Order: sequence, then structure tokens, then C-alpha cells
Amino acid sequence: DSGVTQTPKHLITATGQRVTLRCSPRSGDLSVYWYQQSLDQGLQFLIHYYNGEERAKGNILERFSAQQFPDLHSELNLSSLELGDSALYFCASSVASGGKDEQFFGPGTRLTVL
Amino acid sequence: AQSVTQPDIHITVSEGASLELRCNYSYGATPYLFWYVQSPGQGLQLLLKYFSGDTLVQGIKGFEAEFKRSQSSFNLRKPSVHWSDAAEYFCAVGARGGSYIPTFGRGTSLIVHP
Repeated sequence: DSGVTQTPKHLITATGQRVTLRCSPRSGDLSVYWYQQSLDQGLQFLIHYYNGEERAKGNILERFSAQQFPDLHSELNLSSLELGDSALYFCASSVASGGKDEQFFGPGTRLTVL
Repeated sequence: AQSVTQPDIHITVSEGASLELRCNYSYGATPYLFWYVQSPGQGLQLLLKYFSGDTLVQGIKGFEAEFKRSQSSFNLRKPSVHWSDAAEYFCAVGARGGSYIPTFGRGTSLIVHP
């Protein structure tokens, strides 16, 4: 158990819908990272928050957004969902925000868009 | 920007045999290097990491990796594989400055035959 929790574990929805994925980092970690894992794209970095502020953006679509709240939990919002958004979405946390920081990954949320 | 290549998509070994998973990186200086493992249905877990110093690093679960600057490689090894080692293995590269978000390889799937 990494100490990072993600809810829900599974999510099945229809095209055009909007969903929210939730992540609680390890106690004491200030950074939260979101990743998308799919068979064709591999593990893709989406966005990073540090202590409530957005620090870096990766391959995140405009239909996706995220935020980190004062209690440091984070939410990833996916809207106007398409079939291609079906994937595993991972949240990871780390103590700080440097290149040497070990990231602790949650178990993931499996999103299926029908 | 850094990049990482894992040349082998799948590796099949017999239980008890030795293992080497390849990782090559591209970066202007010595990067931060990581190996993560993902068991089925789980998030990624850190096996080991290299920042500086001794180029042979020991990790959890009996794994080790060797940093070879001349070959831009960070191969993962284990002398005797157990059936429970069957999983997906990811090499990751973190920059020492600039874009600090680690870049993950596409992963190598390890299959262990009894």
C-alpha cells in the first residue's frame, strides 16, 4: 500500500459525459501528479500540482482539468468524454517537486467510455 | 528534454533464470534514473533509483541496476527470477534541472514460465 488513495476504482460512462476522479496523496506529500495509461500511448504525464498550485502540464487535453485543494487532495475532471479517453488514470504523490523525488502511485481509476 | 527507451516489449524467462531488462536514455547530463514495477491491477512501485555515486544500485525484491554513462544505459537485473516477479517494468528518467517531470519508458512485460 503506497498510501495514495484514488476513487472510484472503476468508472463506466457514456460518450459526452463528465466525470471526476479523486486522489488523496500520502500524508505529508505536497505534490500530486496525474497520469493516463493506455495500451497505445503508454504512461503519459498529464499535470502536476504542488501545494495547491499548478506546476507543469503535459499531454493534457483542453477537455480535462484538475485542481488541488487546501487539504492537498486533488481532482481530475474529464468532460465531453470520447471513446479514446478510456484508460487507467493514475495519481502519484511526492514530498516535493524535484526530478529526484520518488513518486508514490495510487492503484488507479479504470475509466471505460461506452 | 530527456527521453527513455525500453527496447523489449516482452521478455519471457523461466523461473530461477537470470533476468536483464534494458533501458537506454537520452539526456545532456547524468539524469536521475528510476525503475518501477507494476503488478497486474496495481499502481507503480519504485524498485530502485540512481542519483550519483556507486553505479551499481540495489533495490527491493532482489533487483539491482547498473548505470553505464558510456552506453547511456540503466539496465535492471535479477540473478534468479521468481514467478511473482511477473509484472510490467518501467524505466524512468528525471532531469536535474529544467523540466523535472520524469519521463517513463513504454514498459517491458515480464512473463515467467514455471
